[in-house]
Amino acid sequence: DAGITQSPRHKVTETGTPVTLRCHQTENHRYMYWYRQDPGHGLRLIHYSYGVKDTDKGEVSDGYSVSRSKTEDFLLTLESATSSQTSVYFCAISESSYASDQETQYFGPGTRLLVL
Amino acid sequence: RKEVEQDPGPFNVPEGATVAFNCTYSNSASQSFFWYRQDCRKEPKLLMSVYSSGNEDGRFTAQLNRASQYISLLIRDSKLSDSATYLCVAYTGFQKLVFGTGTRLLVSP
Repeated sequence: DAGITQSPRHKVTETGTPVTLRCHQTENHRYMYWYRQDPGHGLRLIHYSYGVKDTDKGEVSDGYSVSRSKTEDFLLTLESATSSQTSVYFCAISESSYASDQETQYFGPGTRLLVL
Repeated sequence: RKEVEQDPGPFNVPEGATVAFNCTYSNSASQSFFWYRQDCRKEPKLLMSVYSSGNEDGRFTAQLNRASQYISLLIRDSKLSDSATYLCVAYTGFQKLVFGTGTRLLVSP
């Protein structure tokens, strides 16, 4: 158990509304990630964070922003939700080590978002 | 061409069978690899890491062939509980994981 929770677990919203998803970890890991998973695609990285206030874009970052004001929380915001952002969103943490440059990620339970 | 490619399946096998999945990757700079298991409507869970030529954990064996750029996962003595989707993942550095779309396994009684 990697100690990751996501909220909400399910959300239905309307096109054009802002949406914020929260990822919370209890293990004090430095790296946190947001992915989306869609049929026909592997998990795709949206944004990631390598420390408080340190974030970077992933493969599919357009339309999303993130914030990390505390080590334990990583927020994903859809500024103006669109139907193409209907997806399952997973948060992940990493146990990567600079010494080994290995990368092992553990995932939260996911948030199912439907944008109507 | 996708960076990590998998046969989507489904692979239908009886209990007790041995089944193997292959996964190919296109980025020769990929440093390490992983197999994740994902149950329906659940999060991916790490099954095995593959850093060198291979890894074995009980009934599961993963092998890496860098020359041919593929990774395989062998499951022996399949159980009903092995039914899931298996995701092949490549680590290309700088905290970047590239996921395949998964191979679905159905184990029947």
